[in-house]
Amino acid sequence: NAGVMQNPRHLVRRRGQEARLRCSPMKGHSHVYWYRQLPEEGLKFMVYLQKENIIDESGMPKERFSAEFPKEGPSILRIQQVVRGDSAAYFCASSLMRNTEAFFGQGTRLTVV
Amino acid sequence: AQKVTQAQTEISVVEKEDVTLDCVYETRDTTYYLFWYKQPPSGELVFLIRRNSFDEQNEISGRYSWNFQKSTSSFNFTITASQVVDSAVYFCALSEAEEYGNKLVFGAGTILRVKS
Repeated sequence: NAGVMQNPRHLVRRRGQEARLRCSPMKGHSHVYWYRQLPEEGLKFMVYLQKENIIDESGMPKERFSAEFPKEGPSILRIQQVVRGDSAAYFCASSLMRNTEAFFGQGTRLTVV
Repeated sequence: AQKVTQAQTEISVVEKEDVTLDCVYETRDTTYYLFWYKQPPSGELVFLIRRNSFDEQNEISGRYSWNFQKSTSSFNFTITASQVVDSAVYFCALSEAEEYGNKLVFGAGTILRVKS
């Protein structure tokens, strides 16, 4: 049973471009969580999605960031018009149910140049 | 509001020493989960343990052990006979399970360096 798969592992974008980060949850998992690890701020919750629904986006920046988890396919975290401050590691986790243990992917390291 | 404090920014030990990583948490909920994760130099987050607030039994898994003390709001992690491969950043985290159990609040992490 494959774990949570994130791709790409490393992503380089120029300022102003768009970044799309993908997360394929573990088989059978319909709950997905995104976290961001900034160098000086540590690991912070961004958003919680359940198939086709955003449950909690209290940690998402108000602008330029969006997330989706369609009925088919991976969850996508999208960052429009990236800035240098978006450079971070983005982790995805998935769980089978709302309150069962979540497993993390290996992360995507975004570098904005 | 939830808060997790890992007061030790960095710890250095020599191989085979025992080391304890401290974690103190704050929450107003009576039902919550506590976690420990390891982040090795390769960068992934490795799950170590999840503990329900109603389960105050200490746990041992090989060289790892956890001491949960509700009275002091602490969930400390001890590595016995440390090894170089234990070198990593260790995160303690908390979630309030009344809502859902995987919206984690992380501590700042403790860097553990084990020297041979």
